[in-house]
Amino acid sequence: KAGVTQTPRYLIKTRGQQVTLSCSPISGHRSVSWYQQTPGQGLQFLFEYFSETQRNKGNFPGRFSGRQFSNSRSEMNVSTLELGDSALYLCASSLEGRAGYGYTFGSGTRLTVV
Amino acid sequence: KQEVTQIPAALSVPEGENLVLNCSFTDSAIYNLQWFRQDPGKGLTSLLLIQSSQREQTSGRLNASLDKSSGRSTLYIAASQPGDSATYLCAAEYNTDKLIFGTGTRLQVFP
Repeated sequence: KAGVTQTPRYLIKTRGQQVTLSCSPISGHRSVSWYQQTPGQGLQFLFEYFSETQRNKGNFPGRFSGRQFSNSRSEMNVSTLELGDSALYLCASSLEGRAGYGYTFGSGTRLTVV
Repeated sequence: KQEVTQIPAALSVPEGENLVLNCSFTDSAIYNLQWFRQDPGKGLTSLLLIQSSQREQTSGRLNASLDKSSGRSTLYIAASQPGDSATYLCAAEYNTDKLIFGTGTRLQVFP
């Protein structure tokens, strides 16, 4: 079966711009989570969506937002980009989340802010 | 505060050695413990998932154990190969719909 698909793979943006990242989960999975990975902070949780509802949110500013569609695909948006937003953004897909099914990650989107 | 720690941070070994990677977590009320592998610049590949009711899981040359009472998980890699070179991450899941990651162990296996 197809894995978790993230698009685009690479992005270069200028400070102050906004960006939208996309994640298509494994077919049948209803939980989608987003993580930010940087060399200094490691992997940090952004938010999790289940059946179009945000169930949990990490400690990130309001510039980071997301949504989930009825087909479980999810988008993440970052507005007013800062240099510190440069990171690998990873999306994870799970059947239910929290229920012992584990998480499958996509290949990530590498965002560079210049 | 729920925290996950991994030691060692880096490991360099000759091919063929058996390896033990350690993961510690501060809160024993864990739901699941998942081990991942990450190659440079890539996403995470799931290796093993241990549910809270389980003590260990095995896949090929990999074996992972979970001891909730001591707050520890161990990933054992048998007969290491150069292709095992990667960063290994453990992640704990609690009743919060998110994973808490350790900082990883960077493994290099040389021929």
